[in-house]
Amino acid sequence: DADVTQTPRNRITKTGKRIMLECSQTKGHDRMYWYRQDPGLGLRLIYYSFDVKDINKGEISDGYSVSRQAQAKFSLSLESAIPNQTALYFCATSDLQGPHQETQYFGPGTRLLVL
Amino acid sequence: AQKVTQAQTEISVVEKEDVTLDCVYETRDTTYYLFWYKQPPSGELVFLIRRNSFDEQNEISGRYSWNFQKSTSSFNFTITASQVVDSAVYFCALSEPYNNDMRFGAGTRLTVKP
Repeated sequence: DADVTQTPRNRITKTGKRIMLECSQTKGHDRMYWYRQDPGLGLRLIYYSFDVKDINKGEISDGYSVSRQAQAKFSLSLESAIPNQTALYFCATSDLQGPHQETQYFGPGTRLLVL
Repeated sequence: AQKVTQAQTEISVVEKEDVTLDCVYETRDTTYYLFWYKQPPSGELVFLIRRNSFDEQNEISGRYSWNFQKSTSSFNFTITASQVVDSAVYFCALSEPYNNDMRFGAGTRLTVKP
C-alpha cells in the first residue's frame, strides 16, 4: 500500500462549487503539505502543517482552506471553485529527523478540472 | 525569497547519450537544502536526492550524478547512458530550514528516444 494517498485522483467540478481533496499518510510523519502544479510553474505551496494544531499559509493560499483532522489526515478545500484552480494537486509529508534531515514524500496527485 | 531556475524547458536525447539538467538557485540563507525529484508520465513525484548546503561533495548513484557548486549556486543533475525509462519531468527544489517553504523550479521535460 502507498504511504501517502490522495482522494479523489481525478475530479471535475463546476465554478462556484465547494470541493474537498483528502490526503492520508501511513508514514507517521508530523509534517504535511499541499501543493499545486501548473505547467511551466513547477509546484507551489498552498498550505502546510507541522502538527494537528498547526496550520500555515504557503505561497498561494488565497481561495483555499485546510483542515488537519489527525496526524495522518490533511484536507484541502476549495470553498468556491474557479477555473484557474484547475491544476494537479499534490499532498506531501515529511519527518524532520534533525537539522538538514527533511525530505518530502509526495502522494500520487489529484487532477482537478473546474469548468 | 528563495528562487529556483531550471532554464531548460525540454531536452531530447537519444538513448545512451549523457544528459545534464541544470538548476540554479537563489537564497539569502547560508543553510539550505537542495532536492531533485522525478515525475514520470504516470504523474507521481519521486524523490531522487537531498543535498545540504554545507556538503559540497558530489554524489553518484548508479547512472545518476549530481554536481553541487556553491560558488555558482548550481546543483546540476547528470544522467549517464540515458534510457527510455528516464523520460520524465525533473524538478529541482530548494528549502530553507527556517521558513519551511520549499520552492520548486518549473521543471525540465526529458525525452529519451530509442
